[in-house]
Amino acid sequence: DAGVIQSPRHEVTEMGQEVTLRCKPISGHDYLFWYRQTMMRGLELLIYFNNNVPIDDSGMPEDRFSAKMPNASFSTLKIQPSEPRDSAVYFCASTLSGQGAGQPQHFGDGTRLSIL
Amino acid sequence: GNSVTQMEGPVTLSEEAFLTINCTYTATGYPSLFWYVQYPGEGLQLLLKATKADDKGSNKGFEATYRKETTSFHLEKGSVQVSDSAVYFCALSPWAGSYQLTFGKGTKLSVIP
Repeated sequence: DAGVIQSPRHEVTEMGQEVTLRCKPISGHDYLFWYRQTMMRGLELLIYFNNNVPIDDSGMPEDRFSAKMPNASFSTLKIQPSEPRDSAVYFCASTLSGQGAGQPQHFGDGTRLSIL
Repeated sequence: GNSVTQMEGPVTLSEEAFLTINCTYTATGYPSLFWYVQYPGEGLQLLLKATKADDKGSNKGFEATYRKETTSFHLEKGSVQVSDSAVYFCALSPWAGSYQLTFGKGTKLSVIP
């Protein structure tokens, strides 16, 4: 089975540009998570969705960040305008509810974002 | 609130050495505990898990036992290989119906031949 698919794998753009990161969760999974990983802050949860509905966006750093999940097989994380401090690796993860305790999250390979 | 504390890295070991990475947690109720591994350039992968006290999770020679009395979930391996070089994350899910994970900061392991 295909895992979580993220695109692009790498993105380099100039400050002020709009950046869109994409994620396809594992088919049938009903939870989707967006994380940001940096050396300084480690792994941070930005936002997560259940059945395409945002549940908790308290980790979104500021209004420049937005996330959508228009259907069960696609989500986007958008940064507009981008700033150099947004440079990080962004991960998407998904999981399936109702399987009892200890259900793991499945991660994509991430998008490495560099803002110049 | 929920939190996970794991030992600071980096950790450097020689091949075939014994590995321990300490992890302690704070949570109300009965969390599930996880170890994830991240190889260079990749996302996190589940390594092992335990869902109740005294459970032992194991995979690929790694083990961790859920100790409620000490709120710990230490990762161990008897003989590490160069291919085990990676970053290891301890994490918890606070209760059975919660799918959100709280992660530790990660411990980087380097194994040298």
